[in-house]
Amino acid sequence: DGGITQSPKYLFRKEGQNVTLSCEQNLNHDAMYWYRQDPGQGLRLIYYSQIVNDFQKGDIAEGYSVSREKKESFPLTVTSAQKNPTAFYLCASTWGRNQPQHFGDGTRLSIL
Amino acid sequence: KNQVEQSPQSLIILEGKNCTLQCNYTVSPFSNLRWYKQDTGRGPVSLTIMTFSENTKSNGRYTATLDADTKQSSLHITASQLSDSASYICVVSAVRTGGSYIPTFGRGTSLIVHP
Repeated sequence: DGGITQSPKYLFRKEGQNVTLSCEQNLNHDAMYWYRQDPGQGLRLIYYSQIVNDFQKGDIAEGYSVSREKKESFPLTVTSAQKNPTAFYLCASTWGRNQPQHFGDGTRLSIL
Repeated sequence: KNQVEQSPQSLIILEGKNCTLQCNYTVSPFSNLRWYKQDTGRGPVSLTIMTFSENTKSNGRYTATLDADTKQSSLHITASQLSDSASYICVVSAVRTGGSYIPTFGRGTSLIVHP
């Protein structure tokens, strides 16, 4: 079955540590997105990529980094510069402007 | 600033009843409007997507409407079921320079269906 896989489902970060969240899709979609979801708030865009080897900052990119070396993969690194990383992180992909985004089931990141 | 406002924030209904959720937006230039259903602890799942020229779209018991003039949309759920309990999110996308489109998400309406 085609879809988006995020891993791990739960992740804990220590102070000063970088952690990387995985996002893999086998839908052959060009565009991929990373969002952060906090309680009571709408999803906020961290980074997006329209094509391999290219990505753009979203509204809250500070403290995060991404790479897009393969079409199928769009990993997100939460760096130690992100002072409030506790949140639910969602990855999505789509193949067209007026097509729905397909979401993974998220990674919940907490601070130890 | 692009914004999407949803109402009500939460809603409780009895199984079998109908309900309507509202979405107002100030996103421009408008590309499309989507409704998603998000179960607790899961990623959102697409229900409907409408472009500027469409004013209604159905998906089973879900019917979305769009009034591009007043920048309002609604999601009507018919004959609610217990499995409809979820958060319903309105998403409006704008077109950016270069052809990319950036979605703006509402905060969602939390729907609880009681037996």
